[in-house]
Amino acid sequence: AQKVTQAQTEISVVEKEDVTLDCVYETRDTTYYLFWYKQPPSGELVFLIRRNSFDEQNEISGRYSWNFQKSTSSFNFTITASQVVDSAVYFCALSEQGGSEKLVFGKGTKLTVNP
Amino acid sequence: KAGVTQTPRYLIKTRGQQVTLSCSPISGHRSVSWYQQTPGQGLQFLFEYFSETQRNKGNFPGRFSGRQFSNSRSEMNVSTLELGDSALYLCASSLALAGASDTQYFGPGTRLTVL
Repeated sequence: AQKVTQAQTEISVVEKEDVTLDCVYETRDTTYYLFWYKQPPSGELVFLIRRNSFDEQNEISGRYSWNFQKSTSSFNFTITASQVVDSAVYFCALSEQGGSEKLVFGKGTKLTVNP
Repeated sequence: KAGVTQTPRYLIKTRGQQVTLSCSPISGHRSVSWYQQTPGQGLQFLFEYFSETQRNKGNFPGRFSGRQFSNSRSEMNVSTLELGDSALYLCASSLALAGASDTQYFGPGTRLTVL
């Protein structure tokens, strides 16, 4: 069965601090996809990244970076030099290959960046 | 390119009534998925439609149903509303290329309140 665990329910940091959001997943498939989404107070889920199970390279996009480690089934997300606009709920999600677009989400981590 | 649109954005109903929510996917996207978001259960997959056919279904009672039209637009219906159906209902669309879990792009959601 698929499962995504985001153990950090809430994180509060001060602007310019670095912060890492943890994500641990479970799946029996060898081919799967991992995602991160951001949900600001407006409610819309904003896509951040998609990674397939065969690509363990870390990715950096501006202040955002992702660390994918199959050995520990983790797909962690780091924000460098956080800003107030980064305040949101962040969701990690898993999709297994098999002809369906179903996403299984973690419970989310609420990040508050204080000025 | 326009994003995913959902109507209405807010809805208030009473127990026992039924409701229909609408979703227009991004142009060219063939798959539409629906998710329910509540504070207690988080984001849960309802169902996915592809080429007017339901391709996958989550663990929800039969009161929840949906359909997809030939232009990929989708509707979901909830009959005999219960207080617990109060939630944010999110629609997502993806290209759904065969054999891949494509990125899903989400709409702003419909906030349903059942009194």
